[in-house]
Amino acid sequence: DTAVSQTPKYLVTQMGNDKSIKCEQNLGHDTMYWYKQDSKKFLKIMFSYNNKELIINETVPNRFSPKSPDKAHLNLHINSLELGDSAVYFCASSQGRVNTQYFGPGTRLTVL
Amino acid sequence: GENVEQHPSTLSVQEGDSAVIKCTYSDSASNYFPWYKQELGKRPQLIIDIRSNVGEKKDQRIAVTLNKTAKHFSLHITETQPEDSAVYFCAASGNSNYQLIWGAGTKLIIKP
Repeated sequence: DTAVSQTPKYLVTQMGNDKSIKCEQNLGHDTMYWYKQDSKKFLKIMFSYNNKELIINETVPNRFSPKSPDKAHLNLHINSLELGDSAVYFCASSQGRVNTQYFGPGTRLTVL
Repeated sequence: GENVEQHPSTLSVQEGDSAVIKCTYSDSASNYFPWYKQELGKRPQLIIDIRSNVGEKKDQRIAVTLNKTAKHFSLHITETQPEDSAVYFCAASGNSNYQLIWGAGTKLIIKP
């Protein structure tokens, strides 16, 4: 009965590689998000989709590309990984844009 | 731009005492103010929220107060317990794109 799930939980990879993180929510929410949390714990919004349409696209390198195949899924693809991409990435969902956000368990990305 | 400032960055209190975390926001149109708790290695989870049509909300040992005139809101935890140790984030709804603007977080340490 997991509400927001992410895979994988851990991702260790070399610089320059391309990787994807998947997110799924079974709450029936219409809005999904990707956040980056670095070692200082600051939560930085990266992207937000509402009904499969991109509504927030913060200043992130264009190596990061979100894809929402349907309202329940929001995946994050990262090209040419860099050391500074190492962080925990959280997916979240909410019903409407200004409402409780439910977070996934996070994906810890380590770039070597 | 829109901004949420959160203080203090670290708060250490004796078990049983009260803890107060304060946030100020810049957008007078903000109308939703949630607080999230993130335990070590876990996902952020909503603990309480308030909307701009009320000034205070309580849920057992936690309460949130809102001062719209001064544009600040606070989290109050009474009778603190070891399990209250975590990082707490405040957020405020932003006017543009209706996204949440997050504070930088407060690490709360409960001393036995």
